[in-house]
Amino acid sequence: GESVGLHLPTLSVQEGDNSIINCAYSNSASDYFIWYKQESGKGPQFIIDIRSNMDKRQGQRVTVLLNKTVKHLSLQIAATQPGDSAVYFCAESQDDKIIFGKGTRLHILP
Amino acid sequence: ETGVTQSPTHLIKTRGQQVTLRCSSQSGHNTVSWYQQALGQGPQFIFQYYREEENGRGNFPPRFSGLQFPNYSSELNVNALELDDSALYLCASSSPLAGGREKLFFGSGTQLSVL
Repeated sequence: GESVGLHLPTLSVQEGDNSIINCAYSNSASDYFIWYKQESGKGPQFIIDIRSNMDKRQGQRVTVLLNKTVKHLSLQIAATQPGDSAVYFCAESQDDKIIFGKGTRLHILP
Repeated sequence: ETGVTQSPTHLIKTRGQQVTLRCSSQSGHNTVSWYQQALGQGPQFIFQYYREEENGRGNFPPRFSGLQFPNYSSELNVNALELDDSALYLCASSSPLAGGREKLFFGSGTQLSVL
C-alpha cells in the first residue's frame, strides 16, 4: 500500500500508554480545528474536531485540547493500541477550506 | 469506510501528458474538495467545488482544473504533467447538512506517478 510520512516526526509509545501529539497552527482567526488519522494506503480519517469557543473536547479514547493564546492544539489518545499506528494530522479551517499541518507518525511499541 | 470512491487507484503517465482523475462523493454530499499529497507531506488544498462551481482554490497553477457534475461527482484534470505532480490525489466530500462543509470525508486517493 501507499507509504506516506517517510520524513515525518515520529512518536513512539508503548502499547497501553497514553499518546500526546502536538500541533501548532498558523492563523489566529481560525475557528475550527480537526484531527485526522491516515493509515497506509488510505485517505485521512476524521477523528475529532473542536471549535474555537471550546478548549477541550472528548471522544472515545481521544481528547483534543486547544490553546488559542499560543495557537497550539494537541491530541491525546488513551491506552494506545496497535491499531492506533498511523500518521496524524491537525487541520484548521480557513474560509471554509480545510488546511492541513505537518503530520506526526505514531509508532506503537509492543 | 467513507462512501467516497476515487478512480483509478493508480496511474502512470509521462511528462507533458494530461490526466483526469474521478471522484464520486458520499451520498447526499454536495461539496467536493481535492487535495494533493506528496510523499512525506500533509495534503495540500487544490480547490473545492460546490453546486458545480469552483468555490475556492489553493496555490496551484491553472493547468490544474476541475469539474463537478449535477450528481455531485467530480473530476480533477491536470495538463502538461510535470515530474513534481507525482503524488497521491485525494478527494473529499462534505455537506452543509451533514456536519458542515468543513467536515470532510476522504476517499482512498489516486496515486499518480509521472515519469
